[in-house]
Amino acid sequence: QQQVKQSPQSLIVQKGGISIINCAYENTAFDYFPWYQQFPGKGPALLIAIRPDVSEKKEGRFTISFNKSAKQFSLHIMDSQPGDSATYFCAASHGGSEKLVFGKGTKLTVNP
Amino acid sequence: DAGITQSPRHKVTETGTPVTLRCHQTENHRYMYWYRQDPGHGLRLIHYSYGVKDTDKGEVSDGYSVSRSKTEDFLLTLESATSSQTSVYFCAISVGGLQETQYFGPGTRLLVL
Repeated sequence: QQQVKQSPQSLIVQKGGISIINCAYENTAFDYFPWYQQFPGKGPALLIAIRPDVSEKKEGRFTISFNKSAKQFSLHIMDSQPGDSATYFCAASHGGSEKLVFGKGTKLTVNP
Repeated sequence: DAGITQSPRHKVTETGTPVTLRCHQTENHRYMYWYRQDPGHGLRLIHYSYGVKDTDKGEVSDGYSVSRSKTEDFLLTLESATSSQTSVYFCAISVGGLQETQYFGPGTRLLVL
């Protein structure tokens, strides 16, 4: 049972464009939603995270939008740059859990 | 990198042989995790530990065992490697406990022939 569904699987964006990656979850007990960024040959690294008490969180060019009623959250990358080319994973967990459930990942390519 | 090292970084082995992967951290964090990463499957949790000798299974634990005899080391063992265990294995630690940031190691690329 896949608890976090991520789309699209791959995404190609032109430099300066907006990249949007979506995730949907099933478990209503989830209350922590991080996004991880992974460059080739490296381990994933936390990019940004949100809790459901807010509908949006912004850090620089990266924004998480959260829709609790729809059980969806998304990552927006504004003014996308070639250096943003990486694989992005959404994840979720619930209070009291030591574990994260990851989406399957989105490979983002930003063309110059 | 939160002081996480993994060894070996690359390994080629044959079906049926035992394999042990090591994760070492330098900062005595309580929670440690082993994931495998495969194309189309993302990151899947194999086992995790919440203290010395305290471990639990993840979603893909069959064929794997773990041990944690010291806070700083978390070992993943494939008792009898199979080709389906060819993957990239990542160790992670959780800084601060539950629902806190997980920091990942550099990964171990394992090929089972």
